[in-house]
Amino acid sequence: ETGVTQSPTHLIKTRGQQVTLRCSSQSGHNTVSWYQQALGQGPQFIFQYYREEENGRGNFPPRFSGLQFPNYSSELNVNALELDDSALYLCASSRQRGDQQETQYFGPGTRLLVL
Amino acid sequence: GNSVTQMEGPVTLSEEAFLTINCTYTATGYPSLFWYVQYPGEGLQLLLKATKADDKGSNKGFEATYRKETTSFHLEKGSVQVSDSAVYFCALSSSGYSTLTFGKGTMLLVSP
Repeated sequence: ETGVTQSPTHLIKTRGQQVTLRCSSQSGHNTVSWYQQALGQGPQFIFQYYREEENGRGNFPPRFSGLQFPNYSSELNVNALELDDSALYLCASSRQRGDQQETQYFGPGTRLLVL
Repeated sequence: GNSVTQMEGPVTLSEEAFLTINCTYTATGYPSLFWYVQYPGEGLQLLLKATKADDKGSNKGFEATYRKETTSFHLEKGSVQVSDSAVYFCALSSSGYSTLTFGKGTMLLVSP
């Protein structure tokens, strides 16, 4: 069984640029969630995708957007990067059965530095 | 809204010492509770979970019991090892949903 993978592992951008982060979900999982983890903090929920639609969103501005593809992989896009966007971005996949979602499993993360 | 409060670290212990990391929560309904561990430079790994009151989650010598009356889910281990050095996150998800609310994390440092 393949775990959650993310790419790239590290990324450096400058303020105002745009970035795309990618995530491949664990085999058999149909739901992907994205989290932002600032240095020394716990992860904060950005949004979740299920069946290619946004299925919940945290307190993040619209310049944070995402996609989920038919194979359940996902992208996180951030426009107009700000210095405070520097963080570890974590992707987690899970399986939804009916109205219940099972445990989330995390990828290794993408570390983004905005200069 | 949901929230998780963990004891501040770092927690510094000698090898074979007893570990407790406190975690309390505020949530509506009956959340599921989790402990995740993050080793340096890595993502999060699920350590253990409990889905209802009085359940005990356990894994790799770590244990935590879901206490509804005290809204707590404290992590314990009887004898820590140097390899347990990491950051530990307590988290919850509301009933029926897997969106996780995390605490700020507690760093554990174990010396030989």
